[in-house]
Amino acid sequence: DQQVKQNSPSLSVQEGRISILNCDYTNSMFDYFLWYKKYPAEGPTFLISISSIKDKNEDGRFTVFLNKSAKHLSLHIVPSQPGDSAVYFCAGWGGYGGATNKLIFGTGTLLAVQP
Amino acid sequence: GAGVSQSPRYKVAKRGQDVALRCDPISGHVSLFWYQQALGQGPEFLTYFQNEAQLDKSGLPSDRFFAERPEGSVSTLKIQRTQQEDSAVYLCASGPEREQYFGPGTRLTVT
Repeated sequence: DQQVKQNSPSLSVQEGRISILNCDYTNSMFDYFLWYKKYPAEGPTFLISISSIKDKNEDGRFTVFLNKSAKHLSLHIVPSQPGDSAVYFCAGWGGYGGATNKLIFGTGTLLAVQP
Repeated sequence: GAGVSQSPRYKVAKRGQDVALRCDPISGHVSLFWYQQALGQGPEFLTYFQNEAQLDKSGLPSDRFFAERPEGSVSTLKIQRTQQEDSAVYLCASGPEREQYFGPGTRLTVT
């Protein structure tokens, strides 16, 4: 039972253009959604999050959109830069408490930004 | 330290050996998490500590896996009688519950 799905294993974008990474989820009890970025041989690093009660959160070049009715979120990167090339993971967080305090990750999308 | 550190970074074990993986969380972080990341997959939750208390170990795949955090800071993940399917990157994270800060991971290869 995959609660968080990233159906695109990879995405290639030209430098300066918009990158759109998608994520679908099945668990309507998630409290927050997070995006992590991972370079090879490093651990994931937190990028941006959104509360389940919001529909948009923006931080510089990064914007996350949440569509609760469709159980879908997306990460927009504008403009894309070669340094953005990495694997991006979407994750849901179930809230405080012993059984729900964990991140549930998707399988990741490899973004390649071409110079 | 500035971030979460893990050791060793790489470990090769023969099938049947026991291994111990160490995590040093960010100083002062109450919560500590362990995740397992198989090749081509996202990290999967193993277990969670709040200080020295292990509040959730529902993700540990078998009773060969054991984690501890006796003094509420450093944590050790122990795998007994390693099997080939245990080969993965083991990630440790600490911090505020939802914005978790990850270490670089330990890549375990069981031959």
